[in-house]
Amino acid sequence: AQTVTQSQPEMSVQEAETVTLSCTYDTSENNYYLFWYKQPPSRQMILVIRQEAYKQQNATENRFSVNFQKAAKSFSLKISDSQLGDTAMYFCAFMKRYSGGGADGLTFGKGTHLIIQP
Amino acid sequence: GAGVSQSPSNKVTEKGKDVELRCDPISGHTALYWYRQSLGQGLEFLIYFQGNSAPDKSGLPSDRFSAERTGGSVSTLTIQRTQQEDSAVYLCASSLAGQSKMAQYFGPGTRLLVL
Repeated sequence: AQTVTQSQPEMSVQEAETVTLSCTYDTSENNYYLFWYKQPPSRQMILVIRQEAYKQQNATENRFSVNFQKAAKSFSLKISDSQLGDTAMYFCAFMKRYSGGGADGLTFGKGTHLIIQP
Repeated sequence: GAGVSQSPSNKVTEKGKDVELRCDPISGHTALYWYRQSLGQGLEFLIYFQGNSAPDKSGLPSDRFSAERTGGSVSTLTIQRTQQEDSAVYLCASSLAGQSKMAQYFGPGTRLLVL
């Protein structure tokens, strides 16, 4: 079984600042995927970014980027030029990679509540 | 449809009653997942359907929970004899195929309150 740990229950930054959210995980698997999801007050869970563990290059999506350290089992999310609309709960999630196809549920961390102050 | 839809948005029920929660996945998505989100337990995986295959029920918390997926599309999560600890937000997600590389897209959830 795998576990995902987000050690920052809440963070607050000023608009336009850069913020980094931490995530560590524990697994015996070598092949897997990692995700960051955003959940605003509307409750809709939105995919922010995805990282494939067998790729060394860190994933980026516009203002969002990750720092993936496989040996350290660390997967942090960096948000650049933060905006008021970035205010939300952010969840880190893990899924084992199935080489023959197939999937199972995501394993989530407890989340970080990010507040962007005007 | 444009996204995953769930109904009802909110449900209040009395302890001991049965409830049914519905999920409509994105058109063409063959994989469907149910999760539960509660303050105490965070986000928990409940069950996964891939096409017409038998579902993976490993995450269901008790035998009071069951789920069906008719015609490979709409899914219903049923909770029998509800208990107060069943109060939570129930989230449904779908993906293009039941493969780990496929991103899951979530619905807005059903908030269940058991009195």
